[in-house]
Amino acid sequence: AQSVTQLGSHVSVSEGALVLLRCNYSSSVPPYLFWYVQYPNQGLQLLLKYTSAATLVKGINGFEAEFKKSETSFHLTKPSAHMSDAAEYFCAVSSADRGSTLGRLYFGRGTQLTVWP
Amino acid sequence: NAGVMQNPRHLVRRRGQEARLRCSPMKGHSHVYWYRQLPEEGLKFMVYLQKENIIDESGMPKERFSAEFPKEGPSILRIQQVVRGDSAAYFCASSIRRENTEAFFGQGTRLTVV
Repeated sequence: AQSVTQLGSHVSVSEGALVLLRCNYSSSVPPYLFWYVQYPNQGLQLLLKYTSAATLVKGINGFEAEFKKSETSFHLTKPSAHMSDAAEYFCAVSSADRGSTLGRLYFGRGTQLTVWP
Repeated sequence: NAGVMQNPRHLVRRRGQEARLRCSPMKGHSHVYWYRQLPEEGLKFMVYLQKENIIDESGMPKERFSAEFPKEGPSILRIQQVVRGDSAAYFCASSIRRENTEAFFGQGTRLTVV
């Protein structure tokens, strides 16, 4: 079974500071991993994804994430926060196993990022 | 190429009424997933459909909820006899393959039961 834990439901940073959003996953098979961003009353937009290629993944808006199998982590980072980064961020895992749950996304509870001027 | 289209964006229903939520996948996508987002929670899988087939409905409540994806037209999530606990945001996602290395999400339907 797959599951995702996002540590910290709320993270606050100053504009220009490092952003670090934590995600740990549990998966019995090699996973696909995703980070999505959700702005108020909007749908989910894909930031980046890991699909078993390079372990350091670069996404849109300057975000990147590193897949660490030994730590079962996929933390999201951005060197310098911008006011427009304020949103809710979701980590998700999908199974690459060709079983009944293939394609299903399992989401964490989300982390609300606040950026102070 | 339009994205995933969901309508209505907001839906208010009285207890006991029916709610119909529509999802048109991206052009060329034949795999549709429905998710529900409750306040302060992440998205929870409900059902996975391909054209004319329900593949996995293990995340859907056994009663009052149904889904379809006909040969022509959008996918429909139907909730009969709505209750207050059904109030949530319902999201549809579509992908070109089941492996789902990139699912595209609609903007959601926010259902409020009064």
